[in-house]
Amino acid sequence: AQSVTQLDSHVSVSEGTPVLLRCNYSSSYSPSLFWYVQHPNKGLQLLLKYTSAATLVKGINGFEAEFKKSETSFHLTKPSAHMSDAAEYFCVVASGAGSYQLTFGKGTKLSVIP
Amino acid sequence: NAGVTQTPKFQVLKTGQSMTLQCAQDMNHEYMSWYRQDPGMGLRLIHYSVGAGITDQGEVPNGYNVSRSTTEDFPLRLLSAAPSQTSVYFCASRSISGRDTGELFFGEGSRLTVL
Repeated sequence: AQSVTQLDSHVSVSEGTPVLLRCNYSSSYSPSLFWYVQHPNKGLQLLLKYTSAATLVKGINGFEAEFKKSETSFHLTKPSAHMSDAAEYFCVVASGAGSYQLTFGKGTKLSVIP
Repeated sequence: NAGVTQTPKFQVLKTGQSMTLQCAQDMNHEYMSWYRQDPGMGLRLIHYSVGAGITDQGEVPNGYNVSRSTTEDFPLRLLSAAPSQTSVYFCASRSISGRDTGELFFGEGSRLTVL
């Protein structure tokens, strides 16, 4: 069994300040972990993924995430928020045979204040 | 390159009506899936397929049927729509060959309202 918990349903930051979106996971196998972003009225787009290579993963638009096995966490960060980062973010885990069954977190809505 | 194409983008139905949401991908992906997205619930898997002729149920399959006659197409059928099926539906595909778990590619969504 696998599950994902996004610890905040809504995060608000000022433009130019750091972003931290928190995600904890549970998995019976070595997981693959993803962060997706969804802008209003759009589909989801992959930001970054961890698949058992480097634990610090860099993604698009300056985002990165660190896989911490001991803490079962995969938090998403960005040093400086931009207005265009306002969107909903989903943490996703894949594990098990074939690793093609994904479980989505419930999402974190990021607001960026000018 | 079109990627994943969903139609229609918007649909309003009356309770009891039937309809089909279409999904097509041009990336030769083996895996295709349908999700529904509801506020505060994230995305929940309805049905998925790992190849032509192979389908299976996800987390919330009741009220929905699927078939996979070709690699490219994966339609989702609502046989008798209910207000509880009001949602935004996403089709997604990925490659499942090789060691890489792969990226899910999403369509832009179909917003369905059942009155």
